[in-house]
Amino acid sequence: ETVLTQSPGTLSLSPGERATLSCRASQRVSSSYLAWYQHKSGQAPRVLIYGTSNRATGVPDRFSGSGSGTAFTLTISRLEPEDFAVYYCQQYGNSSYTFGRGTKLEIK
Amino acid sequence: QVQLHESGPGLLKPSQTLSLTCTVSGGSISNGGYYWSWIRQHPGKGLEWIGYIYYSGNTYYNPSLKSRVIISIDTSRNQFSLRLSSVTAADTAVYYCATENVLIPAAHFDNWGQGTLVTVSS
Repeated sequence: ETVLTQSPGTLSLSPGERATLSCRASQRVSSSYLAWYQHKSGQAPRVLIYGTSNRATGVPDRFSGSGSGTAFTLTISRLEPEDFAVYYCQQYGNSSYTFGRGTKLEIK
Repeated sequence: QVQLHESGPGLLKPSQTLSLTCTVSGGSISNGGYYWSWIRQHPGKGLEWIGYIYYSGNTYYNPSLKSRVIISIDTSRNQFSLRLSSVTAADTAVYYCATENVLIPAAHFDNWGQGTLVTVSS
């Protein structure tokens, strides 16, 4: 099973700042199969990025994804108040899907 | 875009069987465009994929849960269901149903239900 490790566990920033979230895999992940989700308490998770760098429908362009191999990054260029949430990365490989433990993005 | 809604008992005793249903609206479960998945989130922890079913009835399960899981589909009701046998406190989680679009070969979940909390306690 591919283990995804997200860092930091909690990120404290202010609106307007840039957020950089990391996702590292225990083994190589195909760039086609790395996704990022935003999850707010009491709501359904929402896919932001799929295939490492493709924004899902309706996702603002301040969200971007990058990376390859075992290291992937979600960047939020300029934080808006509605961006404070928990973010998860997810991969597919060896016929199974795994998620990271999440990064909580909180208001500083 | 399809909408998903989970339903089922919120409280179980150890050794019982968890049974949840996901009702699909806004589209037909039979159109072949999605894999229909179950995912759970343990309190304060990350997400765990449980398994999926295709409209044809083909299933694939997380190897760690495979021995206890059955996912089924009812095309006449536009629903799919999860059964997890011999539950323990470790199965306490929020359970989500979700879709993976088979037309986009990127293995991600593009629609989710709101989730339903299942607690296992004696």
